[in-house]
Amino acid sequence: EAGVAQSPRYKIIEKRQSVAFWCNPISGHATLYWYQQILGQGPKLLIQFQNNGVVDDSQLPKDRFSAERLKGVDSTLKIQPAKLEDSAVYLCASSLEGPGQGYTEAFFGQGTRLTVV
Amino acid sequence: RKEVEQDPGPFNVPEGATVAFNCTYSNSASQSFFWYRQDCRKEPKLLMSVYSSGNEDGRFTAQLNRASQYISLLIRDSKLSDSATYLCVVTSWGKLQFGAGTQVVVTP
Repeated sequence: EAGVAQSPRYKIIEKRQSVAFWCNPISGHATLYWYQQILGQGPKLLIQFQNNGVVDDSQLPKDRFSAERLKGVDSTLKIQPAKLEDSAVYLCASSLEGPGQGYTEAFFGQGTRLTVV
Repeated sequence: RKEVEQDPGPFNVPEGATVAFNCTYSNSASQSFFWYRQDCRKEPKLLMSVYSSGNEDGRFTAQLNRASQYISLLIRDSKLSDSATYLCVVTSWGKLQFGAGTQVVVTP
């Protein structure tokens, strides 16, 4: 079974530039998560989709971050403009069901390591 | 107070020894509990679910104490390959919440 695919693996940008990350979840997984993991910390949920609807985006800095999941499959996460503190690994995960529907295991992609200079 | 708290460690463990650590959670209505493992510069992967009655998977034992709102992980007969960060995960109100992780370093 193919896992969660993310691209790019690494990205270096200057502050105030824009960047976009892409995620392709495991086929058939209804729930998709974007997490931000800063070095030495646990993953922090940015946004959670159930099919193509947003379930939770309470921790997404909406003045600069946006995410979409068109057709309930692939998802993109965008940062515009980037700040130095956005340097982190951005992890995409998917699960068959979300935490509110009889949660099943979340599978993670390898992540995108973003460095803002 | 953070919703999920863990001792960051590191826990330095001689090979073959036993190590145990806890994770506390603040929401008494939390529903499900898990331990994930994260190797250095890798993505988190599910280690085991934590059931109310406690459960064991080989050398790993997980316990849940709802009254005191914590879960625990015990690793017996530690192997060098057990060196990793162990993330506590709690589901609350439809959210999947991660702790900051406990680092375990197994030494020869």
